[in-house]
Amino acid sequence: GNSVTQMEGPVTLSEEAFLTINCTYTATGYPSLFWYVQYPGEGLQLLLKATKADDKGSNKGFEATYRKETTSFHLEKGSVQVSDSAVYFCALREGNQFYFGTGTSLTVIP
Amino acid sequence: NAGVTQTPKFRILKIGQSMTLQCTQDMNHNYMYWYRQDPGMGLKLIYYSVGAGITDKGEVPNGYNVSRSTTEDFPLRLELAAPSQTSVYFCASSYSSNRKITGELFFGEGSRLTVL
Repeated sequence: GNSVTQMEGPVTLSEEAFLTINCTYTATGYPSLFWYVQYPGEGLQLLLKATKADDKGSNKGFEATYRKETTSFHLEKGSVQVSDSAVYFCALREGNQFYFGTGTSLTVIP
Repeated sequence: NAGVTQTPKFRILKIGQSMTLQCTQDMNHNYMYWYRQDPGMGLKLIYYSVGAGITDKGEVPNGYNVSRSTTEDFPLRLELAAPSQTSVYFCASSYSSNRKITGELFFGEGSRLTVL
């Protein structure tokens, strides 16, 4: 079946530190991959996406590359800010169904 | 653009009460979903709909009912509320072409429900 596994949190970083949040997936076909971000008290917002192997999604300084050979879609940012504190969800879509990871909480301290 | 709108944002229920969470979207999306989010547990799919008049169960449908009389609206009804239904509920929608989703999910801001 389809599933998404992402690194457990919480993650605490100092401002300007490098961020990696690992995400691996299991899928039977060729899924599209997504990262969503949830700020405190809000709904999930799309952060970035990639629809085929080797695609790189990017937004707001965040990047993730669709790696079919390792079934991974790790989220990275070179220099995090306090405003990046949120919960990040990795997700895949195969056909008309979406599958979400359990979320990784990130806190960035000044 | 309003996107996906959920009401109410907060609600406290007593055990055994019933209520309806409202969800409406103005993007003409055929696919709509209800998820619940429990702390540290990610999102679990309750029900979904591929279009007006069609609904299907998700992973955790027990204790809930849905209807889809129009493309815009997808209300979620809780019958006989139980403490286990304390959660944050998210409605979402997605665009489709020829019944195939081509993009991402758009989420509402969530409805926080507490059952005491």
